[in-house]
Formats: sequence, C-alpha cells, structure tokens
Amino acid sequence: GAGVSQSPRYKVTKRGQDVTLRCDPISSHATLYWYQQALGQGPEFLTYFNYEAQPDKSGLPSDRFSAERPEGSISTLTIQRTEQRDSAMYRCASSLGGNNEQFFGPGTRLTVL
Amino acid sequence: AQSVTQLGSHVSVSEGALVLLRCNYSSSVPPYLFWYVQYPNQGLQLLLKYTTGATLVKGINGFEAEFKKSETSFHLTKPSAHMSDAAEYFCAVSSNSGYALNFGKGTSLLVTP
Repeated sequence: GAGVSQSPRYKVTKRGQDVTLRCDPISSHATLYWYQQALGQGPEFLTYFNYEAQPDKSGLPSDRFSAERPEGSISTLTIQRTEQRDSAMYRCASSLGGNNEQFFGPGTRLTVL
Repeated sequence: AQSVTQLGSHVSVSEGALVLLRCNYSSSVPPYLFWYVQYPNQGLQLLLKYTTGATLVKGINGFEAEFKKSETSFHLTKPSAHMSDAAEYFCAVSSNSGYALNFGKGTSLLVTP
C-alpha cells in the first residue's frame, strides 16, 4: 500500500482478554517493526521481522506478547491475558532494511480496563 | 547500549523565534541518529537523519541538526518557528543491529502567537 496501516485504531478490552493487532506495511518493504509507546514516553522497540524471519524478540516484555509475519507481508501482534500495564499505543513501522528510514503507521491505542 | 536523552519535555517559543530542541546520545559505535516528529493522531514522520559524512544535516520543513561528536549531541534547530511546527519531537539512535531504534522521551513544542 501507499503507507503503513494499522487496525484497529482503538481497542478497549478487559483485563485477562487476548487482543490481536494488525499491521499492513508498505508493500516493497522487507523489514517490519513493532514498538510500544506509553503515554508521555517515546516508542520502545518490541520486535522486528525481515520478511517472515524474526531475528530479534528482545523487546517483548513477557511471554504474553507474540508477533507473527507468516507470509512476509502483514504482521500481527498478540497480547494474551492482557493486564492494565499493557495499555499503550502500539506502533508498527516498515523499512527497506536495516539503517533505512522507518515509516510509521498511525498506531493502535490499546486500553485495558 | 545506544541511548538518547532529550533535555526538556516541553519547549515553548514565539512564532518567528528560533527553535532549539536538545538531544544527547550515548553510543559505543558510530551512531546513526534521527529526529522524528509526531503530529496529533498521526504516525511518526522522519524529519532528518545523520549516518556518515556531513555533520550538518538538513531536513524537511526548514529543520536542521548538527552532529557534534565531541559533545555527543544532535540538537535540532529551525531559524523561525511557525505555528504548524507545534508537535512532539523525538530523537532516536540506531541500535547495534542497525534495526531497532532507541527513542528519547520526546519534547513537546508549543508555538505561541
């Protein structure tokens, strides 16, 4: 697509529920990133993919968080058994590769009640 | 690990005045440095980046930044502020892997008439 898109834009869920967030990157981009941005903070790296490979999961805060990119294009971020501390903006970005400009989507605002 | 510190979470300037947003970095390797801008309800947009070569980097919307290795700084400037410059600004440094970006906490720029 023309830009990075994310869905849903807003998600409200109850503590303990699972949520899945979706990212559709720029079609020519090999690399896809997920970031978590708490209110009043800068984005914090969660994980990234080169096509379908996931070389770095070091930023995922717990094993409740997982991400997939099975066909090397669209990616999903799943949070199991959500907790209130998971409330944040989740941002997806894509790039041609490492050390290239990352293009960010509008984000998904997750609120866990 | 590579990190950045942004001095001043809020900066207020008058329209037409100089904009100066401060960023200092810590890096064990030659850094790749970035400034991103975030407008309300939008994704982050790249203003400019430093990789190698010329230390004065020009970006979009009249912004520029100077890489100063001796001061480990990468401050963002604009000679004359415009009302449309009001936004959140993030400094970032590329990680060792060249993929993840490590962001500062951001500086909110307010432009007054």
